[in-house]
Amino acid sequence: EVQLAESGGGLVKPGGSLRLSCAASGFTFSSSTMNWVRQAPGKGLEWVSSITGSNSYIYYADSVKGRFTISRDNAKNSLYLQMNSLRTEDTAVYYCARSGLGPEIGDFDYWGQGTLVTVSS
Amino acid sequence: EIVMTQSPATLSVSPGERATLSCRASQSVTSNLAWYQQKPGQAPRLLIYGASTRATLIPARFSGSGSGTEFTLTISSLQSEDFAVYYCQQYNNWPPLTFGGGTKVEIK
Repeated sequence: EVQLAESGGGLVKPGGSLRLSCAASGFTFSSSTMNWVRQAPGKGLEWVSSITGSNSYIYYADSVKGRFTISRDNAKNSLYLQMNSLRTEDTAVYYCARSGLGPEIGDFDYWGQGTLVTVSS
Repeated sequence: EIVMTQSPATLSVSPGERATLSCRASQSVTSNLAWYQQKPGQAPRLLIYGASTRATLIPARFSGSGSGTEFTLTISSLQSEDFAVYYCQQYNNWPPLTFGGGTKVEIK
């Protein structure tokens, strides 16, 4: 059974940093493109970042480029999102999601339960 | 960036009735389109990918159609558990991957 479990969310002040983690199990993690998707309170879904299985390709939304860094540790079946220079508009539930196309960028076939990041003074 | 526009924003439907949700892309996404269902407090769930292929364990009452710029999600006979928010997402031209704003299906 595919499982994704995010952790690391919390309350942080504007300008601060936070590191999110996603523990994966039940599939060949190293072969899968992984993604972060966020949802601000009461709003829709926003893609944040993607990383292919071999770390060869990394992509970011313009809204987070230069501030967020996606990474993965295939030996630990884990995905990360380092978030720096946080802004109030980064407040959202952050979901870890697997690409449904395996090694390629595509839809999101499995999602974690999400972790809430609140940026507020 | 490809903009995805969903309509209507809210759809009021009685249980047992058919629901038809629309998604329009600002330029062609061929068939690289997915639909998701999200219930309050839960993560989204993949319903349809490739515009018309049901994901694993998705009931047959959910169907997707369309290609290019116009897409439809149809729920043939609404069940109580189907009242939720539905999102479309394109994965043809990226980055960025983009979602529609969502359609809320509520009980009439």
